[in-house]
Amino acid sequence: DTGVSQNPRHKITKRGQNVTFRCDPISEHNRLYWYRQTLGQGPEFLTYFQNEAQLEKSRLLSDRFSAERPKGSFSTLEIQRTEQGDSAMYLCASSTRWDRGETQYFGPGTRLLVL
Amino acid sequence: GDSVTQMEGPVTLSEEAFLTINCTYTATGYPSLFWYVQYPGEGLQLLLKATKADDKGSNKGFEATYRKETTSFHLEKGSVQVSDSAVYFCGSSNTGKLIFGQGTTLQVKP
Repeated sequence: DTGVSQNPRHKITKRGQNVTFRCDPISEHNRLYWYRQTLGQGPEFLTYFQNEAQLEKSRLLSDRFSAERPKGSFSTLEIQRTEQGDSAMYLCASSTRWDRGETQYFGPGTRLLVL
Repeated sequence: GDSVTQMEGPVTLSEEAFLTINCTYTATGYPSLFWYVQYPGEGLQLLLKATKADDKGSNKGFEATYRKETTSFHLEKGSVQVSDSAVYFCGSSNTGKLIFGQGTTLQVKP
C-alpha cells in the first residue's frame, strides 16, 4: 500500500476564487470519505462515495462545494467562490468496504487558506 | 444527531505516568468506537477500536473498553512515553462516516 495521497498539500487563494483538491485512495478501496478539520477541532464529515456513487452529503456541504469520483478511483473536491470561513484542513480517507469497525485510512490533508 | 465528547486538553504528564482520556458518545443504535492519533506533522492514524459492548481495543500499550451502560470509551495507558505526545481523537461510526470528538492534546515531559 502506498497510502492515501492528497494534492496539493497547501493552497492559498483569494476570496472568490475556485479551488480543487484531489484525493487518491489506497488501491482497491471502494469507499472514499471527505472531512474538514478546523484548528482545535476534530474532523467533520463532509461526504462519502461507494465506488463512483456519492451516497451521503453533510449539511455542511453547501452548494458551493461539489465532489466527484468519476471512475471509482480518485476523487476531487471543488469549492467555488471561496470564503474566508472555508479556511481549514481538508482530509480524505478510504476503506475497503463498510462493516462494523471498518478502518478508515487518512491522507495527509490539504491545508486551505483563503485570504 | 450522533456526537462524541472528549475531555478538554491539553493534558501534560511526566514520563511513566498513567494516562486516562475520557470519551463519551451519544448515538442511535450501537456504533463502533475508535481512537485515532495524530502525531506532530503526520496524518490521522487508527490507534484502536471496538465494535460491540464490552469489547476491549488495545494497541501500543493503549487500551479502551466499550461501555454501553455509561456510553463511554475511555483511553488508558499505564506508562506514557515522550513519544506518545500527540493529539488523540475519539470517534464513533454507525454507517461508515466517523463522528469525532474535538481532540485531546497530550504532552509528555521527560
